[in-house]
Amino acid sequence: DIQMTQSPSTLSASVGDRVTITCRASQSISSWLAWYQQKSGKAPKLLIYDASTLESGVPSRFSGSGSGTEFTLTISSLQPDDFATYYCQQYHTYSTFGPGTKVDIK
Amino acid sequence: QVQLVESGGGVVQPGRSLRLSCAASGFSFRNYAMHWVRQAPGKGLEWVAVVSYDGTNTYHADSVRGRFTISRDNSKNTLYVQMNSLRPEDTAVYYCARDKRYGGSTYYFDYWGQGSLVTVSS
Repeated sequence: DIQMTQSPSTLSASVGDRVTITCRASQSISSWLAWYQQKSGKAPKLLIYDASTLESGVPSRFSGSGSGTEFTLTISSLQPDDFATYYCQQYHTYSTFGPGTKVDIK
Repeated sequence: QVQLVESGGGVVQPGRSLRLSCAASGFSFRNYAMHWVRQAPGKGLEWVAVVSYDGTNTYHADSVRGRFTISRDNSKNTLYVQMNSLRPEDTAVYYCARDKRYGGSTYYFDYWGQGSLVTVSS
C-alpha cells in the first residue's frame, strides 16, 4: 500500500502570507496527486489534480508542484477564506489520503 | 447543478447492518464512476470503495472488503453501500463522491455529498 505523509500537521499563518504544505508518498506516484481543502463540518473541495492542474473555479493563488514522491501545495497570498485543513491524495494505486494539514490564524 | 445527497445514516449496534444511499442529480449519473469516502470524527479521509459507471466493476478498501458492498442503480440515479458486520471503528461521516473522469475512473473526486453520519455503538 502507498502511504502518504504531510508536513507540517498544523501551520499558523497570517492573511497575506505565502504558505507551503509538503506531501510525500512512500513510493513513486508519478504525478497522480490531488489536493483538497476541507472546512469544518463540510465536504472536501478539489483544488488541484495531476499534481499541478488547477480545478476549474479555484483561485490562482493556489498552485501545486512536484512528481515522484515529493509534492507541494502553495498558497501565494493567504486569504481569510483559506483557513482550513488541506489533504493530499494519491491515485496512482487506488486512493490514499494524507493525514491533513490544518492552516489556522496566527 | 451537480447534487449528491446521502441518506440512511444513524446509530447501529456492532455486528448489525446498514445501507446508505446517495441520490445524484444535475449530471449524467450513468456516465461516471462513483465512490464512497469516510471520515471518522476528528480524523482524516479514508477512501472506501468505487463502482464503475455501469456497475460492472467494483473495488473495496482492505478495511471494509468482505463486509461492505458498493452498488448503483442507474435507472434511479442512486449509489449505495451495504454495510454489514459493522464495527465501532466504522463510525464516521460517509461521503459519496463523483469521479472526475467522464466514462472512466481516476480515483479523484470533483463533487461530494454533504455526508451521512454512521455511529456504531452498543
